[in-house]
Amino acid sequence: AQSVTQPDIHITVSEGASLELRCNYSYGATPYLFWYVQSPGQGLQLLLKYFSGDTLVQGIKGFEAEFKRSQSSFNLRKPSVHWSDAAEYFCAVGAKAGDDKIIFGKGTRLHILP
Amino acid sequence: DSGVTQTPKHLITATGQRVTLRCSPRSGDLSVYWYQQSLDQGLQFLIQYYNGEERAKGNILERFSAQQFPDLHSELNLSSLELGDSALYFCASSVVASSGELFFGEGSRLTVL
Repeated sequence: AQSVTQPDIHITVSEGASLELRCNYSYGATPYLFWYVQSPGQGLQLLLKYFSGDTLVQGIKGFEAEFKRSQSSFNLRKPSVHWSDAAEYFCAVGAKAGDDKIIFGKGTRLHILP
Repeated sequence: DSGVTQTPKHLITATGQRVTLRCSPRSGDLSVYWYQQSLDQGLQFLIQYYNGEERAKGNILERFSAQQFPDLHSELNLSSLELGDSALYFCASSVVASSGELFFGEGSRLTVL
């Protein structure tokens, strides 16, 4: 079965600074990988996804993520954060065959300093 | 607006009671997923339906059950409620059966007193 680890529960960065949120997954084959964002009082919204091909994927709101098979990682990055990026970010993994569960990490809450 | 509708948005009930949460997926989506979000457990996958059939099962308690109806809406039934069932319950829908992009509703917040 697949699993996801987001090692950072909270991260604080200054507005305009760069951001990297970590995600490690466990799955026996190449997985489907996702990053979702949840603003307060809202449901989750997809930022980007990796299914196959280019390991650097671009998403909405200026986010990108890089799939590194050797490190079982799918870290989310943004070169310059905005105050509106303050939210909770979830990494998720899905299976390419058989089990159709999409499993989420516990999330990283991003705080932005003015 | 994701197009996924969940009702009720808030629900307060007592221990031992039974509640039903309802989800209408996006138009055209055949898959419905249910997740439970709590502070200590994070976002836990409960169950998935595809076109009326159960497709995958996660950490769903025996006191909980779900179904997807012919019009594709889904209901999550929670019975013999305990304090620990207090959580935000999300429904998500997807076009495909398998690991597609999920569109989430805004959730139903259940408080058990």
